[in-house]
Amino acid sequence: AQTVTQSQPEMSVQEAETVTLSCTYDTSENNYYLFWYKQPPSRQMILVIRQEAYKQQNATENRFSVNFQKAAKSFSLKISDSQLGDTAMYFCAFHDYTSGTYKYIFGTGTRLKVLA
Amino acid sequence: DSGVTQTPKHLITATGQRVTLRCSPRSGDLSVYWYQQSLDQGLQFLIHYYNGEERAKGNILERFSAQQFPDLHSELNLSSLELGDSALYFCASQGGYQETQYFGPGTRLLVL
Repeated sequence: AQTVTQSQPEMSVQEAETVTLSCTYDTSENNYYLFWYKQPPSRQMILVIRQEAYKQQNATENRFSVNFQKAAKSFSLKISDSQLGDTAMYFCAFHDYTSGTYKYIFGTGTRLKVLA
Repeated sequence: DSGVTQTPKHLITATGQRVTLRCSPRSGDLSVYWYQQSLDQGLQFLIHYYNGEERAKGNILERFSAQQFPDLHSELNLSSLELGDSALYFCASQGGYQETQYFGPGTRLLVL
């Protein structure tokens, strides 16, 4: 069965510093997508970044970037120049679009607190 | 704004009652997913519909059911409600199978 593991339940970082959130997953598929979603205190789920497994280049969106290691099945999120507004729960998600069910599997989340 | 709408935003009801949550996907999206998120918990996948057909079921209780209508909006029906059903219920929509899933704002259900 496909699984997504986020081993860091909570993290904190000083404002303007860099932090990396870890995510590992397990699948036998070769083609899939990986995502990071952010859930601030408002509890809205917001897409942060997306990575296609067939692309070797790591995705980047402004201060957010990923380190995608396909062989190691690792997908970490790096937040640079952390801002107070980055305080949120972060969920890693795996999307299997080859099985026909288009299933999304979410990790348990990492609660990130940015300190002033 | 993701373009996905959910109504109502808040719902307070009593144990044993039945409620219906509604979701309208983004224009053109054929897929709707339903998730349950209890307080300080992760997302539990409930059910997925694609163009009116059920495609996948997750940990959805027998007391819960869903459907997707010809206009592609979806409804999640929760019956014989229990205190433990109190949660935030999200729907998310997706266009093609290789596209990103976008979430609605959620419906906060409180069962008293």
